[in-house]
Order: sequence, then structure tokens, then C-alpha cells
Amino acid sequence: NAGVMQNPRHLVRRRGQEARLRCSPMKGHSHVYWYRQLPEEGLKFMVYLQKENIIDESGMPKERFSAEFPKEGPSILRIQQVVRGDSAAYFCASSLTSGVREQFFGPGTRLTVL
Amino acid sequence: RKEVEQDPGPFNVPEGATVAFNCTYSNSASQSFFWYRQDCRKEPKLLMSVYSSGNEDGRFTAQLNRASQYISLLIRDSKLSDSATYLCVVNMGRDDKIIFGKGTRLHILP
Repeated sequence: NAGVMQNPRHLVRRRGQEARLRCSPMKGHSHVYWYRQLPEEGLKFMVYLQKENIIDESGMPKERFSAEFPKEGPSILRIQQVVRGDSAAYFCASSLTSGVREQFFGPGTRLTVL
Repeated sequence: RKEVEQDPGPFNVPEGATVAFNCTYSNSASQSFFWYRQDCRKEPKLLMSVYSSGNEDGRFTAQLNRASQYISLLIRDSKLSDSATYLCVVNMGRDDKIIFGKGTRLHILP
């Protein structure tokens, strides 16, 4: 049973480019969560999605960031016009049911903005 | 008061010793509590849930004190492999919103 998969594992972008981060939840999981972790900081919740729906995006920056979880395919976190402050580890987690019970994390995508 | 607060450490503890750290939370309506472990540059992994009656898993014991609004993690007979950052996670009781603490760094010394 494959775990949560994220790709790419490392992503380098220049300022102003777009970054697309992908997350495939565990098989059978329909709840996906995205978190950001800045160096030496804790995990910050960004967005919670179920298939085709955004449930809670209270942690998403108002501009440049968007997320989707289509009926088919992985969840995508999209960052437009990246800036140096976007450099961080972005973790995706999935769960079978809502809430924090048994959230399983992917290995993360490390975004570096030059 | 921060929603979830942890002593960042680091806690430097000799191998074989017992170590404990706490996590305080601000919302008395919080329903669920967890400890996660995160190794350097890796993803967090669920260590254990924290039940009202407390729970134990091998060398690890987690307890909840609702009156004082904190949870604790006790590690007995610490091993070098216990070196990690321990994250406190609290479900805030509304809309299943969860908050991660910034973590407590633990270094087990040989």
C-alpha cells in the first residue's frame, strides 16, 4: 500500500516563475491537507480539500496561491510569481476521514526560489 | 496566549535517561490531541494519540490535563534514535481545524 506521494521532491524556481506541487493521497483517502514549513519553524496549515472541493483555505495566502483536488489525479498546490519568501518545505497529508485522526504525511517538496 | 505552545528546546539528554516535555493549548474546547515525531528534513509521523485517560506505548507515555490545558510526553530509557523534533498537535474543536506546535527538539547524547 503506497503511502502519500509528492513530487517533485525538490523544486528550484527563479523569482516570478510558477511552482506546481503535486500530491497523491494514500489509496482510498479522499481528504488532503497542505502544510508549509519554513526553516526552523513549525508546520503551518494552508488548505484542506476533499475531492473537487476546498473545505478550508484559511491558511492560504490571499494572492498567488491556489489549490485543487480534481476528481481524477493528484492534488495540486500552485504558486504563481514565486518570491524568495516562498522557499520552504511543503507537505501534503491525507486521511481516510476528516479531522486529524491518522493523517499520513508525504515526504514533502522542498521549494527553493532563487 | 498562543493556540499551541511548546518549549523549543533543545533538550540534551543522556542515553538511558527519562525525559518529559509539555505542550499547552489555549482552546478549552479542543477535542483531540496527538504527538508527532519529525526527523530532520523528513515528514512528520504520528507517534501517538493522547486520550483523556492517558496512554502508553512501550517507552512512551502521553497524558492529558484538561484542567490546566496541557498534554505531556514522557520517554523512558531514551535511545539515540529518539533524537528528533516532537510536534504537539491539537484539534481546535471547530471545523476540525488543527494546529501544530512548533516542536520540541530532543537530542539524545551517547
